[in-house]
Amino acid sequence: ETGVTQSPTHLIKTRGQQVTLRCSSQSGHNTVSWYQQALGQGPQFIFQYYREEENGRGNFPPRFSGLQFPNYSSELNVNALELDDSALYLCASSLELWGGGYTFGSGTRLTVV
Amino acid sequence: TQLLEQSPQFLSIQEGENLTVYCNSSSVFSSLQWYRQEPGEGPVLLVTVVTGGEVKKLKRLTFQFGDARKDSSLHITAAQPGDTGLYLCAGESNAGNMLTFGGGTRLMVKP
Repeated sequence: ETGVTQSPTHLIKTRGQQVTLRCSSQSGHNTVSWYQQALGQGPQFIFQYYREEENGRGNFPPRFSGLQFPNYSSELNVNALELDDSALYLCASSLELWGGGYTFGSGTRLTVV
Repeated sequence: TQLLEQSPQFLSIQEGENLTVYCNSSSVFSSLQWYRQEPGEGPVLLVTVVTGGEVKKLKRLTFQFGDARKDSSLHITAAQPGDTGLYLCAGESNAGNMLTFGGGTRLMVKP
């Protein structure tokens, strides 16, 4: 059973650019969530996709958008990058909603310069 | 907005000591999850507690969910250097669609 795979592992972008981060869910998991973790802080919820539909969104601006594909893999897109977007972006998958716990990927470290 | 306050933020202890990490909120959660995160890695689920008053044990780790499902604690007995890491509590929303994380407790266990 494979875990959650994220790519790329590290990325450096210039302010104003756009970035796409990718996530392959754990086999059989139909729910994927994205989190942003700034240095020294706990992860912050960005949004969740359940069976290809957005199923909740945190306090992030519209320039953060996502997709979930029929195979339950997912993308996180960020437009007009700002310096404060520099963080570890984590993808997490779960089998269903509620109480099952999440399997996290190792994250993508994004640095905006 | 649901918030989780985690304490202490940092903890440095000697091998063999006991410790407790607290996670408190004014909000009710459908479940409370504890994760451990190593540098450069994502959080790894340790336990999920669902029922108010529930206690779960994982070897030397004891997890408790408050009766009102607003708070939780993690107690480690006879800590070992291998327990070193960032411990995160996370409350799951009633809609089941998001986790609210605490700020984390960075634990260092010295040999």
